[in-house]
Amino acid sequence: QVQLQESGPGLVKPSQTLSLTCTVSGGSISSGSYYWSWIRQPAGKGLEWIGRIYTSGSSNYNPSLKSRVTISIDTSKNQFSLKMSSVTAADTAVYYCARDPISSGSTYYFDYWGQGTLVTVSS
Amino acid sequence: SYELTQPPSVSLSPGQTANITCSGDKLGDKYACWYQQKPGQSPVLVIYQDSKRPSGIPERFSGSNSGNTATLTISGTQAMDEADYYCQAWDSSTYVFGTGTKVTVL
Repeated sequence: QVQLQESGPGLVKPSQTLSLTCTVSGGSISSGSYYWSWIRQPAGKGLEWIGRIYTSGSSNYNPSLKSRVTISIDTSKNQFSLKMSSVTAADTAVYYCARDPISSGSTYYFDYWGQGTLVTVSS
Repeated sequence: SYELTQPPSVSLSPGQTANITCSGDKLGDKYACWYQQKPGQSPVLVIYQDSKRPSGIPERFSGSNSGNTATLTISGTQAMDEADYYCQAWDSSTYVFGTGTKVTVL
């Protein structure tokens, strides 16, 4: 059974960089069969996709966040990471990592999610 | 940017059928999926590729997608189905989520 677990600081100061890591267990992140994504959800609000990465390191980002976001992958540790710069209170949210199984026919969805981690941006 | 619109809330009694809609321009030309999210929990995939159910999802959950609207149907709704539901599609190399629908089982 695949499991994803987010980790990182729960409190980040405004203008600083938010850094989170997702550790994947029960399967290899380098299998080549999946995309690995970050998604966030402010309290009481909806879901927002942040970006994704493939085993090769190729990445895509939400255009609205692209200028501040970098996602990287470390296959030796079975982890992928998120860095978001110049954060403000608007970036306060629960951050999830999730897996998208690559399949034919341009179908994209998330079959496994982490439990989520709350990141608060405050001085 | 692409938008997916859902009704904010749906209320129904146990045993009734819930139809949750998700509207987007030519959504029927894309694949839609649906997630269930209970308070304090991570989203769970209940429908993918318009109408397929992942292993472990009850048969009372079904989906369809045509024209500009995707629909999640919960037949014989149970109290345990009370949750927020989000649709999601892929457009211009971006995952797009719907605005979310709160389903209340009275």
